Amino acid sequence: LAKTTQPISMDSYEGQEVNITCSHNNIATNDYITWYQQFPSQGPRFIIQGYKTKVTNEVASLFIPADRKSSTLSLPRVSLSDTAVYYCLVGSLGGRRALTFGSGTRLQVQP
Amino acid sequence: DAGVIQSPRHEVTEMGQEVTLRCKPISGHDYLFWYRQTMMRGLELLIYFNNNVPIDDSGMPEDRFSAKMPNASFSTLKIQPSEPRDSAVYFCASSRSGGPNNEQFFGPGTRLTVL
Repeated sequence: LAKTTQPISMDSYEGQEVNITCSHNNIATNDYITWYQQFPSQGPRFIIQGYKTKVTNEVASLFIPADRKSSTLSLPRVSLSDTAVYYCLVGSLGGRRALTFGSGTRLQVQP
Repeated sequence: DAGVIQSPRHEVTEMGQEVTLRCKPISGHDYLFWYRQTMMRGLELLIYFNNNVPIDDSGMPEDRFSAKMPNASFSTLKIQPSEPRDSAVYFCASSRSGGPNNEQFFGPGTRLTVL
């Protein structure tokens, strides 16, 4: 099974850009990369998904290099409300890997 | 849309009792997922359904756990008998399709405490 590796925790300050990198060396050809955000006492919430190169939406950007063995979630100008756990998932539905949440990265944003 | 609805939000029971958790997915979503989250094990997929049919139940911990989806708008997760180690937050999620664009929408969760 493809395994994802993320930093356990990160600290930042309001207004800074935060980049969280996920390693997925065994990614398969059909796999997509998906990121979720989870606040305390809530279910995870979809942030962004991509296959290659760069994807941007209203809340984040996702950078995927050509070899696709890693991906970086970029949060521009974070605020206190971005304090949460961020999960990287890899897989294609039809298989469990796309539904396997790792340990996630706990982001703490300070004033 | 109200989103994924779960009930109850909190459940406290004694060891050996039967527990039933309920979920109403978002209308029009073909996939339904049950997850369990604990500090020790993180977020684990228990089972998922496609068009009301269980597709993968390999994450169900043991025979004490069972899940059903009698129709497109309702699913249950039952634990019988319950044990203290079942204490966790149980999430239900649904998604519109099973393809790459498989954004899952999670419910608020049910916090289960087994004494």
